[in-house]
Amino acid sequence: DTEVTQTPKHLVMGMTNKKSLKCEQHMGHRAMYWYKQKAKKPPELMFVYSYEKLSINESVPSRFSPECPNSSLLNLHLHALQPEDSALYLCASSQDSSGPQETQYFGPGTRLLVL
Amino acid sequence: AQKVTQAQTEISVVEKEDVTLDCVYETRDTTYYLFWYKQPPSGELVFLIRRNSFDEQNEISGRYSWNFQKSTSSFNFTITASQVVDSAVYFCALSGEGGGADGLTFGKGTHLIIQP
Repeated sequence: DTEVTQTPKHLVMGMTNKKSLKCEQHMGHRAMYWYKQKAKKPPELMFVYSYEKLSINESVPSRFSPECPNSSLLNLHLHALQPEDSALYLCASSQDSSGPQETQYFGPGTRLLVL
Repeated sequence: AQKVTQAQTEISVVEKEDVTLDCVYETRDTTYYLFWYKQPPSGELVFLIRRNSFDEQNEISGRYSWNFQKSTSSFNFTITASQVVDSAVYFCALSGEGGGADGLTFGKGTHLIIQP
């Protein structure tokens, strides 16, 4: 069962709010990812967790804070976002992150609107 | 640096027509994998196929087929007898020797519209 779930599906927040996006997978994967996708653009990598440790942070602003409580869960904490942060946020997981052969399976995404 | 080019921004065909989506890639890695994903309006990226750099056999899965040609650095995707449900944005992506740590390098996507 290749399923990655994400909540909420939609989120509207003001620039002073604090919110969190959640992602869960039950495939026993040890690598999880956050991507950001603007309209009519491809996904862009934000963070990579491998074995619950943050391995890559693609110079993402500190107003985005990832957290991996365990191997099945991935959170993205949001604080003081800007309107340009409005996008589709996709979570993905793969068996591992060490080699090119790992297929990443994506969740349905959270559509975020920052007012 | 890696790069994936999907030159077709949008393709519109009538249902039951065959359609081919082009993908050209650049990489200096010897070992790499190529992927196709489908993104319907709902937003989820659905994995379709994975192909490694050493396997140039074409693959067919139902109405879908893929043609990998290393000589031209291309990994094209053909849908035979298209259906309205095939309407989506299709992304070609590449994973190099850095694996997931480098993320996937996506093309810009091709928006496929199947008209009834």
